[in-house]
Amino acid sequence: NAGVTQTPKFRVLKTGQSMTLLCAQDMNHEYMYWYRQDPGMGLRLIHYSVGEGTTAKGEVPDGYNVSRLKKQNFLLGLESAAPSQTSVYFCASSYGGPGNTIYFGEGSWLTVV
Amino acid sequence: ELKVEQNPLFLSMQEGKNYTIYCNYSTTSDRLYWYRQDPGKSLESLFVLLSNGAVKQEGRLMASLDTKARLSTLHITAAVHDLSATYFCAVDLESSGDKLTFGTGTRLAVRP
Repeated sequence: NAGVTQTPKFRVLKTGQSMTLLCAQDMNHEYMYWYRQDPGMGLRLIHYSVGEGTTAKGEVPDGYNVSRLKKQNFLLGLESAAPSQTSVYFCASSYGGPGNTIYFGEGSWLTVV
Repeated sequence: ELKVEQNPLFLSMQEGKNYTIYCNYSTTSDRLYWYRQDPGKSLESLFVLLSNGAVKQEGRLMASLDTKARLSTLHITAAVHDLSATYFCAVDLESSGDKLTFGTGTRLAVRP
C-alpha cells in the first residue's frame, strides 16, 4: 500500500551543491506534481507532468528542473542549491480530470546552509 | 492570477463548539478541495467539491461550495481534540491538469 513515496525524507545541503529528489507512485497515475511548502504558507506548485515524457512549469519553477522518464517516477533536481530553497517538498499524483483525488507523499525536508 | 484566501488563519476553539472556516478565491472555478495536515505530516484529502451548491459531510466536518460567490466553507460541528490540525483549501487553476492553488491554511487547535 505504498501510494506516493519520496526519497530522501531529510537532507542538508551546502549552498551550491546539487541534488535530486525522487518521487515514485504505484497507482498508475498520469499526473504528477512537485510542490514546496514554506512556514505559514500553503503549498506552491513548482513543476508538474501530465504524462510520461512531459513536464511543465508551475508557479515557482526557478532553480529547479524535473524529469519524467518513466510514468511512475517524477524527479526534482536542484542544480545549485540556495538557502531560499530550504523548504519541505511534497510530491503528488492523480489520474487527472475533474473530481480525481490528488494524493500526496510524506514530504522531503531540505535545508540549504 | 488566482488567489485563494482562508480565514481565520488560526482558530482556537473549545471542545463541543461549532465553527466555520472560510475559503475565498478570486477566479471562476468549480473545483474546490479541502485537505487536512497534521504537524510534520503529509496532506490528507477531505473533500472534493465539483459544482455550485455541492455539500459533502464526513463525521463532524461539512464542506460546501458557492461558485457564484467564489466561496467555500468548512463547518466543524461539536469539535473534538482529534480535529486539531491545519486545514487547507485549494482551487483548480484550469479545467484540466488538477493544478491546485492553495490557501495559506487555517491552524485549528481544539482545547478541552
